[in-house]
Amino acid sequence: DAGVIQSPRHEVTEMGQEVTLRCKPISGHDYLFWYRQTMMRGLELLIYFNNNVPIDDSGMPEDRFSAKMPNASFSTLKIQPSEPRDSAVYFCASSPRGNTIYFGEGSWLTVV
Amino acid sequence: AQRVTQPEKLLSVFKGAPVELKCNYSYSGSPELFWYVQYSRQRLQLLLRHISRESIKGFTADLNKGETSFHLKKPFAQEEDSAMYYCALPSGTYKYIFGTGTRLKVLA
Repeated sequence: DAGVIQSPRHEVTEMGQEVTLRCKPISGHDYLFWYRQTMMRGLELLIYFNNNVPIDDSGMPEDRFSAKMPNASFSTLKIQPSEPRDSAVYFCASSPRGNTIYFGEGSWLTVV
Repeated sequence: AQRVTQPEKLLSVFKGAPVELKCNYSYSGSPELFWYVQYSRQRLQLLLRHISRESIKGFTADLNKGETSFHLKKPFAQEEDSAMYYCALPSGTYKYIFGTGTRLKVLA
C-alpha cells in the first residue's frame, strides 16, 4: 500500500483565492483525520470522519474552512477565501479500527 | 479535559549524551499514550506506544500515572535522532490530541 496520499504537496496562492487539498486514505481504514501543523501551535486536529461521516469538526478554525468525504477513498479540505494566516502544513491521516494513525506526507500551503 | 503538554519546544544535546523528552498529560481513566516522530520534511510516523512496552531505535517511554507523565528517553543520542517529536493521547473514540511537539537537535 502506498500509504495516505495527499495532493498537492506544495501550493502557493494569493490571498482571497480558494484552496483545495486532497487526500486518499489507506484502503480499509474507517477513520480519516485532517490536521494542521504550525510552528506556534504544533499539530492541531481540524476534523475527523468515521465511515465518511464527519464526527467532530470543532477544530475547524472558522467558516472559511470546510471538509468533505464523498466516499471511502477520497476527502477534501477547502479554504475559501484563503488568508496569509492559513499558511501551514496540512496533514491527512487515516486509521483502521485501532489506535494507530497513519499520516500522509502533508500539503505545504503558503498564502501570500 | 484531556490535554497533552510538552514543555520544551527545543532540546539540544550532544551526540552520545542521554535524551529525555518530556510529556505530561491530563486524562481521566487509563490513558494509552503514543510518541510520534517527524524527520525533516517527512510524514509523522509512530515511534512507540506505551501499551506495547517496546524499545524502538533505542527509545523507551514509561507511563507514570502518579506524575501523569510519559517521558521519552534514550541513553545515547545519535545525530539521526534529530527530529520533531510529538506525544499523543486519545481523546474520546479515535480522536487524538497531540502535544505542541519538541524539536530535538543532536549536535556532533
